[in-house]
Amino acid sequence: EVQLVQSGAEVKKPGESLRISCKGSGYTFASYWIAWVRQVPGKGLEWMGVIYPGDSATTYSPSFQGQVTISADKSISTAFLQWSSLKASDTAMYYCVRRDVVRGIIEYFDYWGPGTLVTVSS
Amino acid sequence: AILMTQSPSSLSASVGDRVTITCRASQGIRNDLGWYQQKPGKAPKLLIYGASSLQSGVPSRFSGSGSGTDFTLTISSLQPEDFATYYCLQDYNLWTFGQGTTVEIK
Repeated sequence: EVQLVQSGAEVKKPGESLRISCKGSGYTFASYWIAWVRQVPGKGLEWMGVIYPGDSATTYSPSFQGQVTISADKSISTAFLQWSSLKASDTAMYYCVRRDVVRGIIEYFDYWGPGTLVTVSS
Repeated sequence: AILMTQSPSSLSASVGDRVTITCRASQGIRNDLGWYQQKPGKAPKLLIYGASSLQSGVPSRFSGSGSGTDFTLTISSLQPEDFATYYCLQDYNLWTFGQGTTVEIK
């Protein structure tokens, strides 16, 4: 069974650093892209970026480029999302999700993690 | 960047109603569009991919159509468990979500 297990909720102060994780199981982790999606409380979904754990190739949304760093360690089947200096506006739920491609051209986000709630408050 | 405009932003409907949600892309995206359902406190769930292909396990009352810039998600007969927020997502050029449509009980 494919599963994405995310790290637990975090409460941080502005200016602090943070890394949250997403561990995949039930499939070949290195062979599927993992995306990160933000959801501010009461708001919609925003795509942040993707990583291919096989070679750590990464693409960021222009809205998040330079604001976060996405990485992965295929040896432990885990992707990471990190901030060097959090802001109150980073308060949100963060989801990781697997990207699958069928017939070489049709893609979708199929398996989602449960989300990690990050709260940034002084 | 490709913008995705969903309408309506919310709607009220009764069990058994036929519900239609639309999504318009700011440029042509072929059929590179999916639909996702999100219930409160839960992660989104894939319903439709490739604009019209039903994800395995999703009830057949859900259907998707469209190509190019205009897309539609239809629920043929609304069930109690369908009250949720629905998002479109384009994957033609990077990824962009629509702003969501909340389906509420009338």
